[in-house]
Amino acid sequence: GDSVTQMEGPVTLSEEAFLTINCTYTATGYPSLFWYVQYPGEGLQLLLKATKADDKGSNKGFEATYRKETTSFHLEKGSVQVSDSAVYFCALETGNQFYFGTGTSLTVIP
Amino acid sequence: DGGITQSPKYLFRKEGQNVTLSCEQNLNHDAMYWYRQDPGQGLRLIYYSQIVNDFQKGDIAEGYSVSREKKESFPLTVTSAQKNPTAFYLCASSIGRGRDGELFFGEGSRLTVL
Repeated sequence: GDSVTQMEGPVTLSEEAFLTINCTYTATGYPSLFWYVQYPGEGLQLLLKATKADDKGSNKGFEATYRKETTSFHLEKGSVQVSDSAVYFCALETGNQFYFGTGTSLTVIP
Repeated sequence: DGGITQSPKYLFRKEGQNVTLSCEQNLNHDAMYWYRQDPGQGLRLIYYSQIVNDFQKGDIAEGYSVSREKKESFPLTVTSAQKNPTAFYLCASSIGRGRDGELFFGEGSRLTVL
């Protein structure tokens, strides 16, 4: 069945470090791919998305490219800030069904 | 502002009691979902509804029930049959009907069984 596998955390980085969180997927058909972010005690917010192969989603300095050949959608940011500390979820959607990874906790220290 | 409203934010329940979590959306979305989140884990789908008066079980529906009598409302009842109900519950909606769409989430409801 369809599924998402993402890098396990927790991840701790110093401010201004480079961030990569790996995400790979298994899906029949052509899914849309998403990254969501969750701050403590809150719901999830959409960070970025890509709906077809080779699309790049970007928002707030974060980027991810839909790679069909490697079935991946890795999240990257060139210089993280303390305010980026949160849990990040990779997800895919096919036919209104959404599948989430287990989440990666990121802590950025000053 | 359009969005999803969940209430209550915090809820305490005694064992053996049923409780109902409210979820209302004013986004005119067709599809609505309930997820359960446990500490350090991902989201698990409880129930979803693609259209009014219709809903389907997700991966962990046992001990839960839902209704979808109105497009904007999708309440979740946690029954006494749910053995381990303490968790964070998230309601979400999407535009639905096969269209490319993202999930919009509410702020969540934290249920604690005493």
